[in-house]
Amino acid sequence: QKEVEQDPGPLSVPEGAIVSLNCTYSNSAFQYFMWYRQYSRKGPELLMYTYSSGNKEDGRFTAQVDKSSKYISLFIRDSQPSDSATYLCAMSGTYKYIFGTGTRLKVLA
Amino acid sequence: SQTIHQWPATLVQPVGSPLSLECTVEGTSNPNLYWYRQAAGRGLQLLFYSVGIGQISSEVPQNLSASRPQDRQFILSSKKLLLSDSGFYLCAWSVLAGGAGELFFGEGSRLTVL
Repeated sequence: QKEVEQDPGPLSVPEGAIVSLNCTYSNSAFQYFMWYRQYSRKGPELLMYTYSSGNKEDGRFTAQVDKSSKYISLFIRDSQPSDSATYLCAMSGTYKYIFGTGTRLKVLA
Repeated sequence: SQTIHQWPATLVQPVGSPLSLECTVEGTSNPNLYWYRQAAGRGLQLLFYSVGIGQISSEVPQNLSASRPQDRQFILSSKKLLLSDSGFYLCAWSVLAGGAGELFFGEGSRLTVL
Protein backbone atom coordinates (compact mmCIF):
# COMPACT_ATOMS: atom_id res chain seq x y z
CA GLN A 1 0.00 0.00 0.00
CA LYS A 2 1.33 3.42 -0.94
CA GLU A 3 1.77 5.88 1.88
CA VAL A 4 -0.15 8.54 -0.05
CA GLU A 5 -2.83 7.99 -2.69
CA GLN A 6 -3.95 10.71 -5.06
CA ASP A 7 -6.20 10.42 -8.09
CA PRO A 8 -4.11 11.42 -11.14
CA GLY A 9 -7.07 12.84 -13.06
CA PRO A 10 -7.20 14.61 -15.41
CA LEU A 11 -10.01 16.64 -13.95
CA SER A 12 -11.76 19.08 -16.30
CA VAL A 13 -14.13 21.71 -14.93
CA PRO A 14 -15.78 24.84 -16.34
CA GLU A 15 -14.56 28.25 -15.25
CA GLY A 16 -16.18 29.33 -12.00
CA ALA A 17 -16.70 25.80 -10.69
CA ILE A 18 -15.70 24.61 -7.24
CA VAL A 19 -12.88 22.10 -7.48
CA SER A 20 -12.27 19.38 -4.91
CA LEU A 21 -8.89 17.62 -4.84
CA ASN A 22 -8.20 14.80 -2.41
CA CYS A 23 -5.52 12.57 -0.94
CA THR A 24 -5.62 9.67 1.44
CA TYR A 25 -2.72 8.44 3.51
CA SER A 26 -1.90 5.46 5.65
CA ASN A 27 0.76 6.63 8.10
CA SER A 28 -0.77 8.07 11.26
CA ALA A 29 2.61 9.66 12.10
CA PHE A 30 2.02 12.37 9.50
CA GLN A 31 1.36 15.65 11.24
CA TYR A 32 2.00 18.31 8.61
CA PHE A 33 0.08 18.62 5.38
CA MET A 34 0.74 20.65 2.29
CA TRP A 35 -0.71 21.35 -1.13
CA TYR A 36 1.41 22.42 -4.08
CA ARG A 37 0.54 23.74 -7.50
CA GLN A 38 2.89 22.80 -10.33
CA TYR A 39 2.71 24.30 -13.77
CA SER A 40 4.20 22.40 -16.68
CA ARG A 41 8.02 22.33 -16.58
CA LYS A 42 8.14 24.39 -13.37
CA GLY A 43 8.92 23.61 -9.76
CA PRO A 44 6.05 23.01 -7.30
CA GLU A 45 4.71 26.13 -5.59
CA LEU A 46 3.49 25.82 -2.01
CA LEU A 47 -0.17 26.80 -1.75
CA MET A 48 -1.27 25.65 1.67
CA TYR A 49 0.40 24.35 4.81
CA THR A 50 -1.41 23.07 7.86
CA TYR A 51 -0.66 20.92 10.86
CA SER A 52 -4.00 20.31 12.48
CA SER A 53 -7.32 18.78 11.64
CA GLY A 54 -9.92 21.18 10.35
CA ASN A 55 -10.06 23.84 7.69
CA LYS A 56 -7.62 26.54 6.64
CA GLU A 57 -8.64 29.19 4.16
CA ASP A 58 -6.50 31.44 1.98
CA GLY A 59 -8.34 33.44 -0.64
CA ARG A 60 -10.05 31.04 -3.04
CA PHE A 61 -8.28 28.04 -1.53
CA THR A 62 -9.40 25.96 1.45
CA ALA A 63 -7.37 23.07 2.84
CA GLN A 64 -9.17 20.48 4.90
CA VAL A 65 -7.55 17.81 7.06
CA ASP A 66 -9.30 14.88 8.70
CA LYS A 67 -6.69 12.98 10.66
CA SER A 68 -9.18 10.43 11.97
CA SER A 69 -9.98 9.36 8.40
CA LYS A 70 -6.47 10.04 7.08
CA TYR A 71 -7.94 12.22 4.37
CA ILE A 72 -7.01 15.67 3.13
CA SER A 73 -8.68 17.93 0.61
CA LEU A 74 -8.06 21.13 -1.27
CA PHE A 75 -11.02 23.17 -2.45
CA ILE A 76 -10.70 25.86 -5.10
CA ARG A 77 -13.60 28.28 -5.37
CA ASP A 78 -14.43 30.28 -8.48
CA SER A 79 -11.85 28.33 -10.48
CA GLN A 80 -10.00 30.18 -13.22
CA PRO A 81 -8.18 28.97 -16.35
CA SER A 82 -4.97 30.07 -14.64
CA ASP A 83 -5.64 27.38 -12.02
CA SER A 84 -4.98 24.74 -14.70
CA ALA A 85 -1.98 22.85 -13.34
CA THR A 86 -1.01 19.70 -11.48
CA TYR A 87 -1.79 19.75 -7.77
CA LEU A 88 0.37 17.73 -5.41
CA CYS A 89 -0.47 16.83 -1.86
CA ALA A 90 2.38 16.30 0.59
CA MET A 91 2.72 15.31 4.20
CA SER A 92 5.41 14.79 6.77
CA GLY A 93 5.94 13.71 10.31
CA THR A 94 9.54 12.67 10.31
CA TYR A 95 12.41 14.10 8.34
CA LYS A 96 10.80 13.02 5.10
CA TYR A 97 8.14 14.71 3.05
CA ILE A 98 5.94 12.24 1.19
CA PHE A 99 4.18 13.36 -1.98
CA GLY A 100 1.19 12.21 -3.91
CA THR A 101 1.62 11.67 -7.64
CA GLY A 102 -0.46 14.75 -8.43
CA THR A 103 -3.85 15.50 -9.95
CA ARG A 104 -3.97 17.29 -13.31
CA LEU A 105 -6.62 19.99 -13.33
CA LYS A 106 -7.90 21.79 -16.40
CA VAL A 107 -10.25 24.74 -16.02
CA LEU A 108 -12.08 25.46 -19.23
CA ALA A 109 -12.86 29.06 -20.18
CA SER B 1 12.65 37.14 1.54
CA GLN B 2 14.04 33.71 0.84
CA THR B 3 14.77 32.54 -2.68
CA ILE B 4 16.18 29.37 -4.15
CA HIS B 5 18.10 29.14 -7.40
CA GLN B 6 18.84 26.10 -9.48
CA TRP B 7 21.00 25.78 -12.56
CA PRO B 8 21.24 24.81 -15.27
CA ALA B 9 17.54 24.82 -16.09
CA THR B 10 17.94 22.38 -18.95
CA LEU B 11 20.68 19.91 -19.70
CA VAL B 12 21.19 17.31 -22.44
CA GLN B 13 24.04 14.93 -21.74
CA PRO B 14 25.36 11.73 -23.37
CA VAL B 15 25.41 8.45 -21.48
CA GLY B 16 28.60 8.12 -19.48
CA SER B 17 29.22 11.85 -19.11
CA PRO B 18 29.52 13.60 -15.72
CA LEU B 19 26.81 15.74 -14.13
CA SER B 20 26.76 18.70 -11.82
CA LEU B 21 23.56 20.46 -10.77
CA GLU B 22 23.75 23.35 -8.36
CA CYS B 23 21.32 24.85 -5.91
CA THR B 24 21.70 27.97 -3.79
CA VAL B 25 19.35 29.35 -1.16
CA GLU B 26 19.32 33.03 -0.24
CA GLY B 27 17.79 34.85 2.69
CA THR B 28 18.03 32.15 5.33
CA SER B 29 20.69 30.42 7.41
CA ASN B 30 21.27 26.75 8.11
CA PRO B 31 18.44 25.48 5.91
CA ASN B 32 17.64 21.81 5.49
CA LEU B 33 18.32 21.03 1.84
CA TYR B 34 16.84 18.34 -0.37
CA TRP B 35 17.28 16.90 -3.84
CA TYR B 36 14.22 15.28 -5.44
CA ARG B 37 13.70 13.66 -8.81
CA GLN B 38 10.35 13.78 -10.56
CA ALA B 39 9.69 11.30 -13.34
CA ALA B 40 6.70 11.62 -15.65
CA GLY B 41 3.56 10.17 -14.05
CA ARG B 42 5.35 9.43 -10.81
CA GLY B 43 5.66 11.22 -7.52
CA LEU B 44 8.60 13.11 -6.18
CA GLN B 45 11.41 10.78 -5.17
CA LEU B 46 13.71 11.98 -2.41
CA LEU B 47 17.34 11.45 -3.41
CA PHE B 48 19.38 13.27 -0.76
CA TYR B 49 18.86 15.56 2.16
CA SER B 50 21.25 17.59 4.29
CA VAL B 51 20.83 19.22 7.69
CA GLY B 52 24.20 20.98 7.65
CA ILE B 53 27.52 21.51 5.88
CA GLY B 54 29.09 18.20 4.93
CA GLN B 55 26.12 16.21 6.26
CA ILE B 56 24.46 14.21 3.50
CA SER B 57 21.91 11.43 3.82
CA SER B 58 21.16 9.26 0.82
CA GLU B 59 17.72 7.79 0.32
CA VAL B 60 18.16 5.76 -2.84
CA PRO B 61 21.28 3.80 -3.86
CA GLN B 62 22.29 4.92 -7.34
CA ASN B 63 25.13 6.50 -9.26
CA LEU B 64 24.32 9.98 -8.00
CA SER B 65 25.99 11.80 -5.12
CA ALA B 66 25.41 15.06 -3.31
CA SER B 67 27.62 17.53 -1.52
CA ARG B 68 27.07 20.60 0.62
CA PRO B 69 30.26 22.63 0.55
CA GLN B 70 28.64 25.75 2.01
CA ASP B 71 25.69 26.43 4.28
CA ARG B 72 23.36 27.45 1.48
CA GLN B 73 24.78 25.48 -1.45
CA PHE B 74 23.77 21.97 -2.45
CA ILE B 75 25.26 20.11 -5.41
CA LEU B 76 24.05 16.97 -7.15
CA SER B 77 26.68 15.05 -9.12
CA SER B 78 27.35 11.96 -11.12
CA LYS B 79 30.57 10.60 -12.55
CA LYS B 80 28.85 8.63 -15.34
CA LEU B 81 25.25 9.26 -16.33
CA LEU B 82 22.85 6.45 -17.19
CA LEU B 83 19.79 6.68 -19.43
CA SER B 84 17.67 6.11 -16.32
CA ASP B 85 19.02 9.33 -14.78
CA SER B 86 16.85 11.40 -17.12
CA GLY B 87 14.24 13.38 -15.25
CA PHE B 88 13.28 16.62 -13.59
CA TYR B 89 15.52 17.39 -10.61
CA LEU B 90 14.25 19.66 -7.89
CA CYS B 91 16.13 21.28 -5.06
CA ALA B 92 14.15 22.24 -1.98
CA TRP B 93 14.71 23.80 1.40
CA SER B 94 13.03 23.98 4.77
CA VAL B 95 13.84 25.79 7.97
CA LEU B 96 12.51 23.47 10.63
CA ALA B 97 14.10 20.10 11.26
CA GLY B 98 12.32 16.78 11.16
CA GLY B 99 10.03 17.58 8.26
CA ALA B 100 8.04 19.91 10.48
CA GLY B 101 8.02 23.00 8.36
CA GLU B 102 7.07 24.22 4.95
CA LEU B 103 9.13 22.92 2.08
CA PHE B 104 10.00 25.28 -0.77
CA PHE B 105 11.18 24.23 -4.21
CA GLY B 106 13.39 25.72 -6.87
CA GLU B 107 12.41 25.92 -10.51
CA GLY B 108 14.01 22.60 -11.36
CA SER B 109 16.63 21.26 -13.75
CA ARG B 110 15.47 19.09 -16.60
CA LEU B 111 18.05 16.46 -17.52
CA THR B 112 17.90 14.38 -20.67
CA VAL B 113 20.46 11.62 -21.05
CA LEU B 114 20.87 10.36 -24.62
